[in-house]
Amino acid sequence: AQSVAQPEDQVNVAEGNPLTVKCTYSVSGNPYLFWYVQYPNRGLQFLLKYITGDNLVKGSYGFEAEFNKSQTSFHLKKPSALVSDSALYFCAVRGESGGSYIPTFGRGTSLIVHP
Amino acid sequence: ETGVTQTPRHLVMGMTNKKSLKCEQHLGHNAMYWYKQSAKKPLELMFVYNFKEQTENNSVPSRFSPECPNSSHLFLHLHTLQPEDSALYLCASSQVSSPGQGVPQDQYFGPGTRLLVL
Repeated sequence: AQSVAQPEDQVNVAEGNPLTVKCTYSVSGNPYLFWYVQYPNRGLQFLLKYITGDNLVKGSYGFEAEFNKSQTSFHLKKPSALVSDSALYFCAVRGESGGSYIPTFGRGTSLIVHP
Repeated sequence: ETGVTQTPRHLVMGMTNKKSLKCEQHLGHNAMYWYKQSAKKPLELMFVYNFKEQTENNSVPSRFSPECPNSSHLFLHLHTLQPEDSALYLCASSQVSSPGQGVPQDQYFGPGTRLLVL
């Protein structure tokens, strides 16, 4: 079975500071990993994904995520947070083989960026 | 918006009502999904249609009934719901080559229907 853990319900950061939103996963075989963002009253929007290759993946709006196989983590990062980054962030995983072909989502982490 | 539309955006219904949620995707995708989003819970996959065939049904109560008349439209029929069914219901679509094969493509989500069951 594949699963995702987002250990923080909420992350608070001051504008201009770096931010990290944590995600760990469990999956059979190699993982495919995703980050989505949900702004208020909107559906989820794709941010970035890791399939293979470089462990550091760059995505939309200046976000990046680092794949760490030994720690089974895929933390989302941004060097300098903006107030407009405040939203709900979802991590998702799918195994390369076995199980469902559909990604499994975490419960989401609310990011609040203070002016 | 992302090319996936949902109507209505908000719905209040009593436990004895029958209503339907509608989803339409304008992206030419061949797979569509219904998810339930509740606060502080993982996004719950409810139903999947792939090439118009239902391929997954994650133990969803029979008071939820999906319908996929074609690859662009997806409905969720609601009947005698319970207050705990109140949530945001999200529709999504993606392009799949064949189930279980290949690199998963990004899912595109609609804005959701906020459902309140009284």
